[in-house]
Amino acid sequence: TQLLEQSPQFLSIQEGENLTVYCNSSSVFSSLQWYRQEPGEGPVLLVTVVTGGEVKKLKRLTFQFGDARKDSSLHITAAQPGDTGLYLCAGAQGAGKLIFGQGTTLQVKP
Amino acid sequence: NAGVMQNPRHLVRRRGQEARLRCSPMKGHSHVYWYRQLPEEGLKFMVYLQKENIIDESGMPKERFSAEFPKEGPSILRIQQVVRGDSAAYFCASSPRQGSTGELFFGEGSRLTVL
Repeated sequence: TQLLEQSPQFLSIQEGENLTVYCNSSSVFSSLQWYRQEPGEGPVLLVTVVTGGEVKKLKRLTFQFGDARKDSSLHITAAQPGDTGLYLCAGAQGAGKLIFGQGTTLQVKP
Repeated sequence: NAGVMQNPRHLVRRRGQEARLRCSPMKGHSHVYWYRQLPEEGLKFMVYLQKENIIDESGMPKERFSAEFPKEGPSILRIQQVVRGDSAAYFCASSPRQGSTGELFFGEGSRLTVL
């Protein structure tokens, strides 16, 4: 069974700080996605990474896919209170079948 | 351009009753997926459907749970004889085609509470 482990599970930081969230697996995924979920809502897709070593940037968010396509990281620069939420990584196991990590709950204090 | 629509958003049932959750995919999407999110846990795949076909139901519990996506109308996730352990958020997602990258668009979820 493929598993994705996210770390840390909880993160509370001050506005302006930088942070990195990690997503690790012993399995290779054809692609990996990051989602953000607000309380009471569904996950919203942030980015998809496909190629080993790929780096994608979305404003202050930087996503990296490991060379072996087994791990990924999300780095947020100068975090803002609006970044607060649950961040989920998900690996594609086949058509539409995603394996989700447990999630990282981020709280950014003003 | 409407997103994935789920209803009801909240549903309360007593043990032994039936729960029916509905999902209308995004316009132009013919692939529907159901995921379950238990409290303090991540999302778990349940079933993947195309119009009138179940493609992959490997994540569905063997008993009491069923899903359909008829030619006309929304996809339905049906839970018979609900138990307290069925209390969870059920998310529907859709995609326009079967692709290797697996990008999904999620609805806002239906939160089932079993008393």
